[in-house]
Amino acid sequence: KQEVTQIPAALSVPEGENLVLNCSFTDSAIYNLQWFRQDPGKGLTSLLLIQSSQREQTSGRLNASLDKSSGRSTLYIAASQPGDSATYLCAVEGGSYIPTFGRGTSLIVHP
Amino acid sequence: SQTIHQWPATLVQPVGSPLSLECTVEGTSNPNLYWYRQAAGRGLQLLFYSVGIGQISSEVPQNLSASRPQDRQFILSSKKLLLSDSGFYLCAWSAQGTGDATNEKLFFGSGTQLSVL
Repeated sequence: KQEVTQIPAALSVPEGENLVLNCSFTDSAIYNLQWFRQDPGKGLTSLLLIQSSQREQTSGRLNASLDKSSGRSTLYIAASQPGDSATYLCAVEGGSYIPTFGRGTSLIVHP
Repeated sequence: SQTIHQWPATLVQPVGSPLSLECTVEGTSNPNLYWYRQAAGRGLQLLFYSVGIGQISSEVPQNLSASRPQDRQFILSSKKLLLSDSGFYLCAWSAQGTGDATNEKLFFGSGTQLSVL
């Protein structure tokens, strides 16, 4: 059974810092990996999707990498802003249309 | 463009009462549909998923049920709610495997906060 772990569980940083969120998974036979953002009381918004054949995806200040063999993905946020404050979740899909989610990293970026 | 609608946004129900949450998707056909629950301090738990009309798979045995009466409609129900059913319920959809990364993203509704008292 796939297990997804996200470290750290919570992170508080000053504005402007570059930061890295980590996601690890136990079964490397994945189809894709997604990173999501969730604001309090809201649904999840997909940020980036990396297919198993890819190593990274970029969108604006966000860069997600995937190392399937080691079961790891990182989400890099450049020049963090207070508006980046949210919970970030990663989800791994093994090809059965059933994503497995981590518990998320709660990020606070303070001015 | 595709959109997903989920309602109501909040719901307060007494223990033992029935439940019906509805989710509809527009702008796509034959989507995969999902119901998740997010309880305070816990991760996102998959409750049901469906790859087609009338095809429902349950991930967790409980007093909840799901139905897909139409291609783009997914309903979560309960005959008698328990206190433990409280939580944030999220509907989501994704396209069937197309090989296109953009189309295979998982898209979520805005959620329903359910409080069972």
